[in-house]
Amino acid sequence: DTEVTQTPKHLVMGMTNKKSLKCEQHMGHRAMYWYKQKAKKPPELMFVYSYEKLSINESVPSRFSPECPNSSLLNLHLHALQPEDSALYLCASSPLAGVGNEQFFGPGTRLTVL
Amino acid sequence: GIQVEQSPPDLILQEGANSTLRCNFSDSVNNLQWFHQNPWGQLINLFYIPSGTKQNGRLSATTVATERYSLLYISSSQTTDSGVYFCAVGPFYNQGGKLIFGQGTELSVKP
Repeated sequence: DTEVTQTPKHLVMGMTNKKSLKCEQHMGHRAMYWYKQKAKKPPELMFVYSYEKLSINESVPSRFSPECPNSSLLNLHLHALQPEDSALYLCASSPLAGVGNEQFFGPGTRLTVL
Repeated sequence: GIQVEQSPPDLILQEGANSTLRCNFSDSVNNLQWFHQNPWGQLINLFYIPSGTKQNGRLSATTVATERYSLLYISSSQTTDSGVYFCAVGPFYNQGGKLIFGQGTELSVKP
């Protein structure tokens, strides 16, 4: 089963709210990723977790806080976001992080910041 | 950093036509994937193809790593093939799993 699930599908939040995005995979993968995709643009990497440890942070603002509580679950905590943070947030996983590892993506969470 | 260029940026086809999408990259890679993004945003894996040739039904792909390009062939196109096709590469110098996406080719197949 090559499935990555994400919840919620849609999220609308104000600039003072705190919310979280959730991603789950049951493929036994040990690498998980967050990507951000603005309209009419390609996805851009935000974070990589390898064996539940943060291995890559692409200079993402601290209002985005990732968390990997276990090997199947990845969260993205959101706080004090700006309207320009409105985007599609995609989660992905791969067997390992690195050479020879195909990434599989979830359906995404479409976030709107008012 | 590595540059990934896809061509053409837009493509309109009549149902049943064939097409070739191209992905050029500026440096050595250790990963190359082709995706189809449907209108709902889901990225669907088409091929994992850092080198060589693969086929899956009406789709096939070829990557010539030494010449730094990959091609995606779509034969007998259907309206359900519409959407954005992305090529994404993993830079050889970055072993951490990072994927860098091209700008995509937006395909529209008319009935």
